[in-house]
Amino acid sequence: KQEVTQIPAALSVPEGENLVLNCSFTDSAIYNLQWFRQDPGKGLTSLLLIQSSQREQTSGRLNASLDKSSGRSTLYIAASQPGDSATYLCAVFSGGSNYKLTFGKGTLLTVNP
Amino acid sequence: DGGITQSPKYLFRKEGQNVTLSCEQNLNHDAMYWYRQDPGQGLRLIYYSQIVNDFQKGDIAEGYSVSREKKESFPLTVTSAQKNPTAFYLCASSPPRAGYGYTFGSGTRLTVV
Repeated sequence: KQEVTQIPAALSVPEGENLVLNCSFTDSAIYNLQWFRQDPGKGLTSLLLIQSSQREQTSGRLNASLDKSSGRSTLYIAASQPGDSATYLCAVFSGGSNYKLTFGKGTLLTVNP
Repeated sequence: DGGITQSPKYLFRKEGQNVTLSCEQNLNHDAMYWYRQDPGQGLRLIYYSQIVNDFQKGDIAEGYSVSREKKESFPLTVTSAQKNPTAFYLCASSPPRAGYGYTFGSGTRLTVV
Protein backbone atom coordinates (compact mmCIF):
# COMPACT_ATOMS: atom_id res chain seq x y z
CA LYS A 1 0.00 0.00 0.00
CA GLN A 2 1.37 3.37 -1.02
CA GLU A 3 2.18 5.74 1.84
CA VAL A 4 3.22 9.37 1.47
CA THR A 5 5.04 11.29 4.18
CA GLN A 6 5.71 15.02 4.28
CA ILE A 7 8.37 16.63 6.43
CA PRO A 8 8.23 18.99 8.21
CA ALA A 9 4.58 19.11 9.33
CA ALA A 10 4.91 22.86 9.91
CA LEU A 11 7.45 25.48 8.94
CA SER A 12 7.74 29.15 9.83
CA VAL A 13 10.21 31.36 7.95
CA PRO A 14 10.88 35.09 7.52
CA GLU A 15 9.94 36.74 4.27
CA GLY A 16 12.53 36.45 1.52
CA GLU A 17 13.95 33.12 2.64
CA ASN A 18 14.39 30.21 0.25
CA LEU A 19 12.88 26.99 1.56
CA VAL A 20 12.46 23.31 0.79
CA LEU A 21 9.51 21.06 1.53
CA ASN A 22 10.05 17.31 1.49
CA CYS A 23 7.86 14.44 0.36
CA SER A 24 8.64 10.72 0.43
CA PHE A 25 6.67 7.73 -0.84
CA THR A 26 7.02 4.02 -0.20
CA ASP A 27 6.20 2.51 -3.61
CA SER A 28 8.29 3.85 -6.47
CA ALA A 29 5.90 2.48 -9.12
CA ILE A 30 4.16 5.80 -9.70
CA TYR A 31 2.86 7.52 -12.83
CA ASN A 32 3.36 11.03 -11.54
CA LEU A 33 3.60 13.25 -8.49
CA GLN A 34 1.57 16.40 -7.95
CA TRP A 35 2.14 19.29 -5.54
CA PHE A 36 -0.90 21.22 -4.36
CA ARG A 37 -1.50 24.31 -2.29
CA GLN A 38 -4.47 24.63 0.08
CA ASP A 39 -5.54 27.84 1.76
CA PRO A 40 -7.64 27.57 4.96
CA GLY A 41 -11.19 26.40 4.20
CA LYS A 42 -10.51 26.19 0.48
CA GLY A 43 -10.02 23.52 -2.13
CA LEU A 44 -6.71 22.33 -3.58
CA THR A 45 -4.85 24.30 -6.22
CA SER A 46 -2.43 22.37 -8.39
CA LEU A 47 1.07 23.85 -8.39
CA LEU A 48 3.25 21.40 -10.28
CA LEU A 49 2.85 17.99 -11.89
CA ILE A 50 5.94 15.83 -12.46
CA GLN A 51 5.71 12.78 -14.66
CA SER A 52 7.58 9.65 -13.53
CA SER A 53 10.04 10.09 -16.40
CA GLN A 54 10.88 13.67 -15.42
CA ARG A 55 13.39 14.92 -12.87
CA GLU A 56 11.93 18.36 -12.20
CA GLN A 57 9.35 20.97 -13.08
CA THR A 58 9.44 24.73 -12.61
CA SER A 59 6.77 27.39 -12.36
CA GLY A 60 7.81 30.89 -11.40
CA ARG A 61 9.44 30.78 -7.96
CA LEU A 62 8.55 27.11 -7.51
CA ASN A 63 10.71 24.15 -8.47
CA ALA A 64 9.77 20.54 -7.80
CA SER A 65 12.16 17.65 -8.17
CA LEU A 66 11.50 13.92 -8.32
CA ASP A 67 13.81 11.01 -7.54
CA LYS A 68 11.56 8.06 -8.21
CA SER A 69 14.12 5.39 -7.37
CA SER A 70 14.60 6.74 -3.86
CA GLY A 71 10.94 7.65 -3.42
CA ARG A 72 11.51 11.35 -2.81
CA SER A 73 10.36 14.72 -4.06
CA THR A 74 11.16 18.23 -2.96
CA LEU A 75 9.35 21.52 -3.51
CA TYR A 76 11.69 24.49 -3.53
CA ILE A 77 10.19 27.95 -2.99
CA ALA A 78 12.48 30.85 -3.78
CA ALA A 79 12.26 34.27 -2.14
CA SER A 80 9.24 33.39 -0.03
CA GLN A 81 6.43 35.93 0.46
CA PRO A 82 3.64 36.19 3.06
CA GLY A 83 1.19 35.23 0.31
CA ASP A 84 2.90 31.85 0.11
CA SER A 85 1.51 30.98 3.54
CA ALA A 86 -0.68 27.90 3.10
CA THR A 87 -0.65 24.12 3.45
CA TYR A 88 1.33 22.33 0.77
CA LEU A 89 0.27 18.82 -0.14
CA CYS A 90 2.18 16.18 -2.05
CA ALA A 91 0.31 13.40 -3.84
CA VAL A 92 1.41 10.43 -5.93
CA PHE A 93 -0.62 8.79 -8.66
CA SER A 94 -0.30 5.02 -8.68
CA GLY A 95 -1.75 2.86 -11.43
CA GLY A 96 -2.67 -0.76 -11.68
CA SER A 97 -6.35 -1.63 -11.46
CA ASN A 98 -7.01 1.03 -8.87
CA TYR A 99 -6.05 4.40 -10.22
CA LYS A 100 -5.92 6.84 -7.39
CA LEU A 101 -4.03 9.68 -5.83
CA THR A 102 -2.45 9.10 -2.42
CA PHE A 103 -1.81 12.20 -0.33
CA GLY A 104 0.63 13.17 2.35
CA LYS A 105 -0.71 15.05 5.37
CA GLY A 106 0.84 18.30 4.23
CA THR A 107 3.26 20.95 5.42
CA LEU A 108 1.77 24.10 6.95
CA LEU A 109 3.95 27.00 5.80
CA THR A 110 3.89 30.39 7.47
CA VAL A 111 5.93 33.22 5.93
CA ASN A 112 6.32 36.11 8.36
CA PRO A 113 6.60 39.70 7.07
CA ASP B 1 -13.56 28.79 -17.74
CA GLY B 2 -13.48 25.06 -17.16
CA GLY B 3 -13.55 23.79 -13.63
CA ILE B 4 -15.31 21.88 -10.89
CA THR B 5 -18.23 23.32 -8.96
CA GLN B 6 -19.17 21.96 -5.56
CA SER B 7 -22.31 22.98 -3.76
CA PRO B 8 -23.29 23.95 -1.21
CA LYS B 9 -20.21 25.50 0.38
CA TYR B 10 -21.61 24.83 3.87
CA LEU B 11 -24.11 22.14 4.84
CA PHE B 12 -25.68 21.25 8.16
CA ARG B 13 -27.11 17.82 8.87
CA LYS B 14 -29.34 16.70 11.66
CA GLU B 15 -28.85 13.33 13.27
CA GLY B 16 -30.43 10.55 11.18
CA GLN B 17 -30.68 12.64 8.04
CA ASN B 18 -29.30 11.88 4.59
CA VAL B 19 -27.70 14.76 2.73
CA THR B 20 -26.37 15.03 -0.82
CA LEU B 21 -23.33 17.01 -1.90
CA SER B 22 -23.19 18.17 -5.49
CA CYS B 23 -20.17 18.03 -7.78
CA GLU B 24 -20.29 19.21 -11.41
CA GLN B 25 -17.41 19.53 -13.88
CA ASN B 26 -17.16 21.02 -17.36
CA LEU B 27 -13.63 19.80 -18.07
CA ASN B 28 -14.81 16.80 -20.10
CA HIS B 29 -12.95 14.54 -17.68
CA ASP B 30 -13.95 10.89 -17.51
CA ALA B 31 -12.79 10.19 -13.96
CA MET B 32 -14.21 11.78 -10.83
CA TYR B 33 -13.39 11.34 -7.15
CA TRP B 34 -14.66 12.17 -3.69
CA TYR B 35 -12.25 12.79 -0.81
CA ARG B 36 -12.83 13.51 2.83
CA GLN B 37 -10.45 15.77 4.76
CA ASP B 38 -10.14 15.75 8.54
CA PRO B 39 -7.62 17.72 10.61
CA GLY B 40 -4.44 15.75 11.10
CA GLN B 41 -5.55 12.88 8.84
CA GLY B 42 -5.01 14.21 5.37
CA LEU B 43 -7.27 13.37 2.46
CA ARG B 44 -8.94 9.98 2.26
CA LEU B 45 -10.67 8.56 -0.81
CA ILE B 46 -14.38 7.79 -0.42
CA TYR B 47 -15.50 6.78 -3.92
CA TYR B 48 -14.26 7.16 -7.45
CA SER B 49 -15.69 6.72 -10.93
CA GLN B 50 -13.68 6.20 -14.09
CA ILE B 51 -16.65 6.14 -16.45
CA VAL B 52 -20.35 6.90 -16.53
CA ASN B 53 -22.56 4.33 -14.76
CA ASP B 54 -19.59 2.78 -12.99
CA PHE B 55 -17.93 3.58 -9.64
CA GLN B 56 -15.75 1.90 -7.04
CA LYS B 57 -15.36 2.16 -3.30
CA GLY B 58 -12.35 3.93 -1.95
CA ASP B 59 -10.74 3.53 1.44
CA ILE B 60 -13.63 4.84 3.57
CA ALA B 61 -16.86 4.16 1.62
CA GLU B 62 -18.99 2.96 4.53
CA GLY B 63 -21.93 5.30 5.18
CA TYR B 64 -21.64 6.98 1.78
CA SER B 65 -23.23 6.41 -1.62
CA VAL B 66 -22.68 7.88 -5.09
CA SER B 67 -24.14 7.83 -8.57
CA ARG B 68 -22.65 8.61 -11.98
CA GLU B 69 -25.52 9.01 -14.44
CA LYS B 70 -23.86 11.81 -16.38
CA LYS B 71 -20.23 12.45 -17.24
CA GLU B 72 -20.42 15.93 -15.74
CA SER B 73 -21.96 15.01 -12.39
CA PHE B 74 -20.88 12.86 -9.43
CA PRO B 75 -23.10 13.53 -6.39
CA LEU B 76 -22.20 12.13 -2.97
CA THR B 77 -24.86 11.16 -0.42
CA VAL B 78 -23.87 11.04 3.21
CA THR B 79 -26.29 8.61 4.81
CA SER B 80 -27.42 8.27 8.39
CA ALA B 81 -25.15 5.22 8.62
CA GLN B 82 -22.10 7.50 8.56
CA LYS B 83 -21.52 8.02 12.28
CA ASN B 84 -19.02 10.84 12.08
CA PRO B 85 -19.84 12.87 8.97
CA THR B 86 -18.51 16.24 10.10
CA ALA B 87 -15.64 16.96 7.72
CA PHE B 88 -14.52 18.88 4.65
CA TYR B 89 -15.47 17.08 1.42
CA LEU B 90 -13.53 17.59 -1.79
CA CYS B 91 -14.48 16.50 -5.29
CA ALA B 92 -11.89 16.07 -8.03
CA SER B 93 -11.68 15.00 -11.65
CA SER B 94 -9.01 13.84 -14.06
CA PRO B 95 -8.66 12.74 -17.70
CA PRO B 96 -8.96 9.00 -18.24
CA ARG B 97 -5.30 8.36 -18.89
CA ALA B 98 -2.70 8.56 -16.19
CA GLY B 99 -0.38 11.50 -16.28
CA TYR B 100 -2.59 14.54 -16.57
CA GLY B 101 -3.12 15.40 -12.94
CA TYR B 102 -6.18 16.09 -10.86
CA THR B 103 -8.37 19.20 -10.66
CA PHE B 104 -10.19 19.89 -7.39
CA GLY B 105 -13.33 21.77 -6.48
CA SER B 106 -13.57 24.31 -3.67
CA GLY B 107 -15.07 21.87 -1.18
CA THR B 108 -18.17 21.48 1.00
CA ARG B 109 -17.97 21.72 4.76
CA LEU B 110 -20.52 19.40 6.38
CA THR B 111 -21.43 19.82 10.04
CA VAL B 112 -23.73 17.65 12.12
CA VAL B 113 -26.02 19.67 14.39
